[in-house]
Amino acid sequence: AQSVTQLGSHVSVSEGALVLLRCNYSSSVPPYLFWYVQYPNQGLQLLLKYTTGATLVKGINGFEAEFKKSETSFHLTKPSAHMSDAAEYFCAVSEEGSTLGRLYFGRGTQLTVWP
Amino acid sequence: DAGVTQSPTHLIKTRGQQVTLRCSPKSGHDTVSWYQQALGQGPQFIFQYYEEEERQRGNFPDRFSGHQFPNYSSELNVNALLLGDSALYLCASSLPGSNSPLHFGNGTRLTVT
Repeated sequence: AQSVTQLGSHVSVSEGALVLLRCNYSSSVPPYLFWYVQYPNQGLQLLLKYTTGATLVKGINGFEAEFKKSETSFHLTKPSAHMSDAAEYFCAVSEEGSTLGRLYFGRGTQLTVWP
Repeated sequence: DAGVTQSPTHLIKTRGQQVTLRCSPKSGHDTVSWYQQALGQGPQFIFQYYEEEERQRGNFPDRFSGHQFPNYSSELNVNALLLGDSALYLCASSLPGSNSPLHFGNGTRLTVT
């Protein structure tokens, strides 16, 4: 069965500082991995995804994530935080080859950006 | 190009009542998934519809049922509402296939009193 653990329910950084949001997954088969962002009173927006191929994945808004199979991790980073990055971030996993409709989400990490 | 639209945006119901939530998928998408997001939690998969049939189902009781129409829109029905059903209900659409990401709507906030 698939599961996702997001370390740290809240992360605070200063504007311009590095953002690092941690995600570890458990999967019995090769996974597809995703990061989504949720702004208040809105749905989820896809930031980036890993399916196969290059393990460093670049997404929107300057975010990137690296798939590390040996560590079962898919941490999200951004070199320089912006105030507009303040939101909740969700890591998710699905089974390779299965419909992408069924995702298993972590509990989310709330990112606060201080001026 | 309209994205995923959900209605209503907010809803208040009483325990024991029934509720219907509606979703129109993004243009060109034919697969609809429903998720429940309780406060402070990540979304949990309820079920997925494709070609008007339930294709996959998560760990939710039979009180939760759905339907997909020929135009690909979908409804989520919840019977005998419990206080614990209070949540944000998210609809997501996608194209069939293993490389099609989900596009989410803004959700329906259901409050059960």
